[in-house]
Amino acid sequence: EPEVTQTPSHQVTQMGQEVILRCVPISNHLYFYWYRQILGQKVEFLVSFYNNEISEKSEIFDDQFSVERPDGSNFTLKIRSTKLEDSAMYFCASSEALRLALHFGNGTRLTVT
Amino acid sequence: DAKTTQPNSMESNEEEPVHLPCNHSTISGTDYIHWYRQLPSQGPEYVIHGLTSNVNNRMASLAIAEDRKSSTLILHRATLRDAAVYYCIPDMYSGGGADGLTFGKGTHLIIQP
Repeated sequence: EPEVTQTPSHQVTQMGQEVILRCVPISNHLYFYWYRQILGQKVEFLVSFYNNEISEKSEIFDDQFSVERPDGSNFTLKIRSTKLEDSAMYFCASSEALRLALHFGNGTRLTVT
Repeated sequence: DAKTTQPNSMESNEEEPVHLPCNHSTISGTDYIHWYRQLPSQGPEYVIHGLTSNVNNRMASLAIAEDRKSSTLILHRATLRDAAVYYCIPDMYSGGGADGLTFGKGTHLIIQP
């Protein structure tokens, strides 16, 4: 069964550094998402992306965050200047169409020191 | 978004049926009811969704009350692999764009061997 893959599985970075989290969504999917989950807390929506532009974003997704689909397969989340509070699991998801099942990757654990 | 109420945790025995309840009394007429689960150290996984009628798939069944103010996810024969946090998510129709699902705290399902 096709799956969403995320790399790296764990990223450690220093405060103030830029990080790029990478995702390869399922190939025929059109909608792409990033979520995050701080340890012990809820899964939180960050942003959705369709037709090469952001469709919706949450309050968490401020100017420090950006997303890109640089080619036909990758979907990336960039954090420009990481803060300690950005430490979390970041999940990428994709769906074939609006309101159909979201398929999630297994996440990238980001640790900011 | 519609407010949901789920038990914090439930316990069941292996190979027995499990009924996971969810109250969503403020659900609107166009909301689908989605269920996702999150196994330990993994991303959320789609389970099932429905609008008005009861739904079945290979993973589970979804029973939706006639007034749609509540639903029940039914695992017909629980296995140890079903131990996870289960999320009930009414999907608000935003009128356009790809809206992100809002995850609550969910129900932590414990399966005893």
